[in-house]
Amino acid sequence: DIVMIQSPLSLPVTPGEPASISCRSGQSLLRGNAYNYLDWYLQKPGQSPQLLIYMGSNRASGVPDRFSGSGSGTDFTLKISRVEAEDVGVYYCMQTLEIPLTFGGGTKVEIK
Amino acid sequence: QVQLLESGGGVVQPGRSLRLSCEASGFTFSTYGMHWVRQAPGKGLEWVAVISNDGSNKNYADSVKGRFTISRDNSKNMLYLQMSSLRLEDTAVYFCAKRRYGDYTHDHWGQGTLVTVSS
Repeated sequence: DIVMIQSPLSLPVTPGEPASISCRSGQSLLRGNAYNYLDWYLQKPGQSPQLLIYMGSNRASGVPDRFSGSGSGTDFTLKISRVEAEDVGVYYCMQTLEIPLTFGGGTKVEIK
Repeated sequence: QVQLLESGGGVVQPGRSLRLSCEASGFTFSTYGMHWVRQAPGKGLEWVAVISNDGSNKNYADSVKGRFTISRDNSKNMLYLQMSSLRLEDTAVYFCAKRRYGDYTHDHWGQGTLVTVSS
């Protein structure tokens, strides 16, 4: 199984400031088609997860452009250019390269 | 818009069975694969199973293989998860999710249904 490791575990943020979450995979998620099979999801308090980023860097429909995904191979980053209060919750990365699909352990983002 | 509504959760004793349902609307159900994902209380997300759009292809997490069966009825826009030989560690909120066309991305999620396995 592909192991997914996120850091940090917890991220206190100041509204208006940038934030960054790291995700590392146990093997490369880059396929020959040049796509990275890595998604980012946000689970806001009391809600179900929602898709933010797919294929490493593609924003899902309706996702604000302050969210961006980058990286390739085994190292990926989710960046929030200017954090807003509504961005609090737990962020998960997930590899979609192969079955079984696996999630990172999550990063809890909270307002300072 | 895409809507996914899970049902069927509840309290069940270890070793017993339970069937979860997920009613889909707002998209052409028969075109898309579907997933089940679960979340134990206070824990992270765990992928459970995936089924292809026509039901011919199914895959499972090792933790549920041989005990859970994913299925679908495209005529009713329904997804199912038949859970047997339930264990205490199967206690979780179970989400159904729509698969993005062409890959395994979960692009829409339901609100979840809670399954509690307890004696």
